[in-house]
Amino acid sequence: DAGVIQSPRHEVTEMGQEVTLRCKPISGHNSLFWYRQTMMRGLELLIYFNNNVPIDDSGMPEDRFSAKMPNASFSTLKIQPSEPRDSAVYFCASRPSGLPSYGYTFGSGTRLTVV
Amino acid sequence: QKEVEQDPGPLSVPEGAIVSLNCTYSNSAFQYFMWYRQYSRKGPELLMYTYSSGNKEDGRFTAQVDKSSKYISLFIRDSQPSDSATYLCAMSEVTGNQFYFGTGTSLTVIP
Repeated sequence: DAGVIQSPRHEVTEMGQEVTLRCKPISGHNSLFWYRQTMMRGLELLIYFNNNVPIDDSGMPEDRFSAKMPNASFSTLKIQPSEPRDSAVYFCASRPSGLPSYGYTFGSGTRLTVV
Repeated sequence: QKEVEQDPGPLSVPEGAIVSLNCTYSNSAFQYFMWYRQYSRKGPELLMYTYSSGNKEDGRFTAQVDKSSKYISLFIRDSQPSDSATYLCAMSEVTGNQFYFGTGTSLTVIP
């Protein structure tokens, strides 16, 4: 299994541009999570999906952020328009249904820099 | 107040030392307690988990949970330079799908 796959690994964009981050979860994992990590705030949950349905998006900072999961093998996180304060590492994670002991499997992250 | 509090460090120890990493939490419904290790420029990976109170040992790593004090610990014996990473605690309710993470403690083991 290739694990959780995120793309791109690095993204540098100008303020005001649209940014799309992509994630392919592990096959058979039916929960998918988007996190943002910064030095100041650590890991922040942005949104998560169960069986492709958004369950909790209360962590999405504002309307500039949106996420979709059109099928079990693909999800996107979009920022439009981007701002310098959005600079962070964005992680996607997936897990199977069942006990929390199964844990999350994280992708390698997308390092976003907005200049 | 955040649900999970963790001292960010940084922590620097000589090779072979015993390392103690800790988290406190406020939600008494948490039953699953996990430790993740994150190497630089990588995603966090699950190191070990504990259910409810007690200890769990895995090689050089020991996880402890004290639910009465709402306090969890990770001990690393005979620390190695390869243990240098950020360690994040995470917690969940029994039926919860969401994990609550600490901010992480940065550890450096000096050869």
